[in-house]
Amino acid sequence: GESVGLHLPTLSVQEGDNSIINCAYSNSASDYFIWYKQESGKGPQFIIDIRSNMDKRQGQRVTVLLNKTVKHLSLQIAATQPGDSAVYFCAENYNAGNMLTFGGGTRLMVKP
Amino acid sequence: DTGVSQDPRHKITKRGQNVTFRCDPISEHNRLYWYRQTLGQGPEFLTYFQNEAQLEKSRLLSDRFSAERPKGSFSTLEIQRTEQGDSAMYLCASSLAQGNEQYFGPGTRLTVT
Repeated sequence: GESVGLHLPTLSVQEGDNSIINCAYSNSASDYFIWYKQESGKGPQFIIDIRSNMDKRQGQRVTVLLNKTVKHLSLQIAATQPGDSAVYFCAENYNAGNMLTFGGGTRLMVKP
Repeated sequence: DTGVSQDPRHKITKRGQNVTFRCDPISEHNRLYWYRQTLGQGPEFLTYFQNEAQLEKSRLLSDRFSAERPKGSFSTLEIQRTEQGDSAMYLCASSLAQGNEQYFGPGTRLTVT
């Protein structure tokens, strides 16, 4: 079936470096994408979203890039900090539906 | 803190017992969602309410599961005759409208022994 997935299960970066977390999706009808951050024992925390009519969106220290040609989504975190250590999920919403479909997550580890 | 609260945060129960969880969404949000998350996986959609109406249910939601949102505000999720496979984190989320970002609560971690 169609699904959202992630290329790398674990990403380790040095504090201060930039991080890039990737996500592939297979449903071309997807029109809304969200990145969530989840710390241990907590619920997912909204980071940034993007709609399919855009290819880039920037937030505070984060940028999401959407490449509809290859069905690829990425999250860039600038100047990664220890507090960024968490599991990151991408999620998709398609046909203006009501549920989010999540990928399996990437664990980001920030080394001091 | 997203403004979505869930109670209890942790629940340990014996197999065969019934459990009920509560979710209080962000007050102006008319959409409420329940998800289930197992260790190392992303959340999986269970069901969705718009105001008090339950409009969509996943195939994951067996007959032992029931959810309500009687006044269009808080919601409850009940699991009857719990099984060990029900052990998971149960997450609630709310949103203002369709296609808008969903804000998640802290979850209720259920352990069935």
